Parts: sequence; C-alpha cells; structure tokens
Amino acid sequence: DAMVIQNPRYQVTQFGKPVTLSCSQTLNHNVMYWYQQKSSQAPKLLFHYYDKDFNNEADTPDNFQSRRPNTSFCFLDIRSPGLGDAAMYLCATSTSRMRLAGITDTQYFGPGTRLTVL
Amino acid sequence: AQSVTQLDSQVPVFEEAPVELRCNYSSSVSVYLFWYVQYPNQGLQLLLKYLSGSTLVESINGFEAEFNKSQTSFHLRKPSVHISDTAEYFCAVSDQTGANNLFFGTGTRLTVIP
Repeated sequence: DAMVIQNPRYQVTQFGKPVTLSCSQTLNHNVMYWYQQKSSQAPKLLFHYYDKDFNNEADTPDNFQSRRPNTSFCFLDIRSPGLGDAAMYLCATSTSRMRLAGITDTQYFGPGTRLTVL
Repeated sequence: AQSVTQLDSQVPVFEEAPVELRCNYSSSVSVYLFWYVQYPNQGLQLLLKYLSGSTLVESINGFEAEFNKSQTSFHLRKPSVHISDTAEYFCAVSDQTGANNLFFGTGTRLTVIP
C-alpha cells in the first residue's frame, strides 16, 4: 500500500545532542511537510518542501533544519534539542500540481515520531 | 491568514448517542476544509474534506460535515457513535492560493462511554 512512513516511532535523546528524524513516502507526492505537535495542542507547521524548494515558516527556530535528498525521503534535524522540543513530529505529503493556480490536494500523514528529551 | 476555532476541547457521549463537534473558521479568502482524526500515539488520518460542490460531505464510517459559508462553520456530526470513535478530532483549513498549508484547530477529544 502507498503510504507515509516515519522512523523511528519513538526517539529519546539527551539535551543538546543532535537528532535526526526520518520520513519516507511511496505516494510519489511532490510536497512534503514537517509538523510539531506538543501535548494536547494542534500540529504546527515547521516547514515544507515543494519539490526541491524549501519553505520555512517564519517562527520556526533555527535549531530545526530539514533535508530532502530525493522525492521519497525527507529528514528533520534538530541541532541542539532542548526540553521544550519534546513533542510528536508529524510528516505529511501532498500533491500540488499547479501551485500558482491554487490547485492543492489533501495532506496524508505518517504515524509520527515521539521525541523525548532527557 | 486563516484560523480555526474548535469550541469544545472535550466531548463525552454515550455509545449509540448522536454527537456534534463544532468547528468555526476565519479567512479572508476562499478555503478548503478538513476533518482529521488522531488515535492515541498515531498520526492524523483524513476523515473527510470539503473542496467544492455539495456542502454536505460524508466519510465511510458514518461521519458527515456541512460547510456553512454564512456562518463560517464546518461542524462534524455522527448520528450514532461507537466505542471505536474515541479519539482526538482536528478541524483544519487551507487557503486556495496554492500555499498548501493547513491551519489546525486545537482539537476536540471525543470520549464514547459504554
């Protein structure tokens, strides 16, 4: 089945120790997103890739970076995790074939990676 | 920019009773509307969406939502809930300008009581 996969499902890191979360998709979607969801809160968009174009949200801290080496994979790097970065991180994908014309499609989410910072 | 308000953070309801989860949005442009469901320790699953056409949309598991432009609402309803419907429900809106970004409400925790 076509799907969005996130690895690992649970990640524990130490304060200040860099960590990388992985997302892959078999949907061949050209747009990939990373969201942060803290406990009992709504998901918050960190950034997204439209093809190879990186789009950072204005309030995303510099501590968060992303890489998309190819269509299928996207990584979230947290350079120096703080206690406040503990959250569920959600990856999503969608198809947007005509960006300027406003044609957008549904976002499909992976199961998430729960990050714990000790 | 868009915003979404889900007025009820928690909704307890007895099994087989009807339920309505409320969602209101604010936007200066035309929007698309979505309901997502999140089960414990899982990602978000699309429940239903409104893009255009009929204002009443339905999901395969008995939920429905109606887009009301004049009231800027997109309330989610189900006539008879099951234990398995216990989950967090998020209403979301995206604009139609191609930004492709979803703005989520804070969620409503639906608890179905046996």
